[in-house]
Amino acid sequence: GAGVSQTPSNKVTEKGKYVELRCDPISGHTALYWYRQSLGQGPEFLIYFQGTGAADDSGLPNDRFFAVRPEGSVSTLKIQRTERGDSAVYLCASSLAGAGAGELFFGEGSRLTVL
Amino acid sequence: DAKTTQPNSMESNEEEPVHLPCNHSTISGTDYIHWYRQLPSQGPEYVIHGLTSNVNNRMASLAIAEDRKSSTLILHRATLRDAAVYYCIYDNQGGKLIFGQGTELSVKP
Repeated sequence: GAGVSQTPSNKVTEKGKYVELRCDPISGHTALYWYRQSLGQGPEFLIYFQGTGAADDSGLPNDRFFAVRPEGSVSTLKIQRTERGDSAVYLCASSLAGAGAGELFFGEGSRLTVL
Repeated sequence: DAKTTQPNSMESNEEEPVHLPCNHSTISGTDYIHWYRQLPSQGPEYVIHGLTSNVNNRMASLAIAEDRKSSTLILHRATLRDAAVYYCIYDNQGGKLIFGQGTELSVKP
C-alpha cells in the first residue's frame, strides 16, 4: 500500500532487552515523526526528522532512546535496556514537508509490551 | 508546549451536527490550527487545518474565531463511524505537532 508502514505491529520483550521498531514512510515524504502513546493518553512527541537529520529530538525521554534515518527514508527507533514503563504504542508519521501547513500521515503503530 | 483546551468528552446523536470546541489562547499569528481524530486501535487521522479563514473539506468544516483564540470543528451529520477521539493542535514548535488529551466523541444511534 501507499501508506506509512510500521513493523513489527506487536512486540513483546523482557525488561532489559534491546528493541528496534521500523517505520517506512510514504515515498517522497521528507519529514518523519515518532510519537508514543500510552493507554488513555494522546500521542507524545519523541523526535522529528527532516531528511536524514533529526530536526528536533527534544521529546526523547532519556539516552536509552535513539532514532536514525540514514538515507532519508526508512527510520528505526531503538530502545536499549527496556523498562516496563516503555510499554506503549509507538506511532510513526510522515509528511511532505513540516507539519506546520500540511498533513501528517500516521501508521498503525507498533505495540511494545515490556514484561 | 503549544497548549489547547478541549472538553474531555461529548455525545451526539447519529445524523445530527456536532460542534467540537477548542481554545488556543496562546496561539500566534503564523500558527496553523490542526484537527486530527483517532479511531480505536488506529493511528491518528488528519481531519482539517486552517490559519485564519474558515475551511471546508469532505470530512468537516473548521470555524476559526476572528481573534484566533478558539476554533470549532463541525461535523455536519454525525455517523457511528465518527466516534473517535478528536485532537485540536496548533504548531508553534517549528514543524512538530504536540497532542493534548483530545475530546472523546460518542455517537448514539
